[in-house]
Amino acid sequence: KQEVTQIPAALSVPEGENLVLNCSFTDSAIYNLQWFRQDPGKGLTSLLLIQSSQREQTSGRLNASLDKSSGRSTLYIAASQPGDSATYLCAVRNTPLVFGKGTRLSVIA
Amino acid sequence: NAGVTQTPKFQVLKTGQSMTLQCAQDMNHEYMSWYRQDPGMGLRLIHYSVGAGITDQGEVPNGYNVSRSTTEDFPLRLLSAAPSQTSVYFCASSSQEGRTEAFFGQGTRLTVV
Repeated sequence: KQEVTQIPAALSVPEGENLVLNCSFTDSAIYNLQWFRQDPGKGLTSLLLIQSSQREQTSGRLNASLDKSSGRSTLYIAASQPGDSATYLCAVRNTPLVFGKGTRLSVIA
Repeated sequence: NAGVTQTPKFQVLKTGQSMTLQCAQDMNHEYMSWYRQDPGMGLRLIHYSVGAGITDQGEVPNGYNVSRSTTEDFPLRLLSAAPSQTSVYFCASSSQEGRTEAFFGQGTRLTVV
């Protein structure tokens, strides 16, 4: 059974810092990995999708990497802003999408 | 673009009542799924469908029924609501049996009293 773990569970940083969120998974036979953002009381917004054959994806200040063999992914956020405050979820796809419990990020102005 | 639309956004039920949570997508996606999100538990899969007429159980299917008569719609039925079903429910869709990006609805917040 696929299990996804996200560390840390919560993170607080001052504005302007670069930061890394971690995601690990137990079964490396995945189709893809997707990072989402969730604001309080809201739905999930897709940030980045990495296919199993890819090593990384970039979108603006966000960069996600994937090391399938070791079962790890990282989400790098450059020059963090208060508007980045949210919960970040990692999900891996075998057939259903399996989620980690998320990292709650607070960026302090 | 509508994407994935869930209705209602909020609902309060009494124990034992039944209701249907609606989910519709306009992207012609084959793959649709229902999740529930609870504090400390993350998102857990309830049921999923890989196409019209095909459904399967996820991690927490008890107390829920689904059907998929069209590509666009994937309703979730609670036959006899229980307080343990108080949760936020999300519907998702993607193409090619989930090998592409998944899109989520805005959620239904259900309270069972």
